[in-house]
Amino acid sequence: QKEVEQDPGPLSVPEGAIVSLNCTYSNSAFQYFMWYRQYSRKGPELLMYTYSSGNKEDGRFTAQVDKSSKYISLFIRDSQPSDSATYLCAMSGSRGYGQNFVFGPGTRLSVLP
Amino acid sequence: KAGVTQTPRYLIKTRGQQVTLSCSPISGHRSVSWYQQTPGQGLQFLFEYFSETQRNKGNFPGRFSGRQFSNSRSEMNVSTLELGDSALYLCASSPQGAGSLTEAFFGQGTRLTVV
Repeated sequence: QKEVEQDPGPLSVPEGAIVSLNCTYSNSAFQYFMWYRQYSRKGPELLMYTYSSGNKEDGRFTAQVDKSSKYISLFIRDSQPSDSATYLCAMSGSRGYGQNFVFGPGTRLSVLP
Repeated sequence: KAGVTQTPRYLIKTRGQQVTLSCSPISGHRSVSWYQQTPGQGLQFLFEYFSETQRNKGNFPGRFSGRQFSNSRSEMNVSTLELGDSALYLCASSPQGAGSLTEAFFGQGTRLTVV
C-alpha cells in the first residue's frame, strides 16, 4: 500500500459544479497537508496549506483534514474551465521541509464549459 | 520578479548517456531543491542545496548528483541514464534556508526522455 493514495482521474465536471478531490494516507504521523495545482507543462503551485485537522477556506477553495480517518479533501466551488489541471496532495510529519513531504500522484480535473 | 527558470525544457537522451539540468532560482532565494515527477509516483525529493552545500538527499542512487554555485544557480546531473529516468525534473527555490516547502516556488521543469 502506498503511503499516500489519490485517484488519478481524469475527473470531468461541468462548469459551475462543486468538485471534491481526495487523498487518503496511512501514516498517522502526518500533520502538515498541502494541495498543489499543476497546469499542463507547468510546475506545481501551492494552493492550500493546513496543519493538523480542520477546515481552511480561501475563496472558492476549501481544504479539509480528517486525521481520524486519514483523509484529506479539497473542494472547489463554482468550478471554472481555468480550474482544469492536475491537483496534487502532499503531506508531512515534520514541519515544512521538502524532503519530508510525501506527494500523491495527482488527480487530473477537467471542467467543461 | 522573474520566476524559477529551468533549462532546457525538453531533452531526449540515449540510455547510458549523462545529462545536466540547470535551475536558476528566484532572485534572493538561496535554497534550491530538486524533485522527480513520474506518472503514478508523484513528486519524489532528490536533494536540496543551500549556500552551495547539499543539506538533504532523497532515496535516489548515486547516479543522481547536483551542485549549487555561489549565485545560487543549481545543476543536477544524471549519469548512465536508464529508461526509468524518463521524468519531469522540477526545481523549487525558497527564500530561507532548509528548503521549507511552504515557501517554495517551482519552475516549469525539464522533461527528460531516455530512449
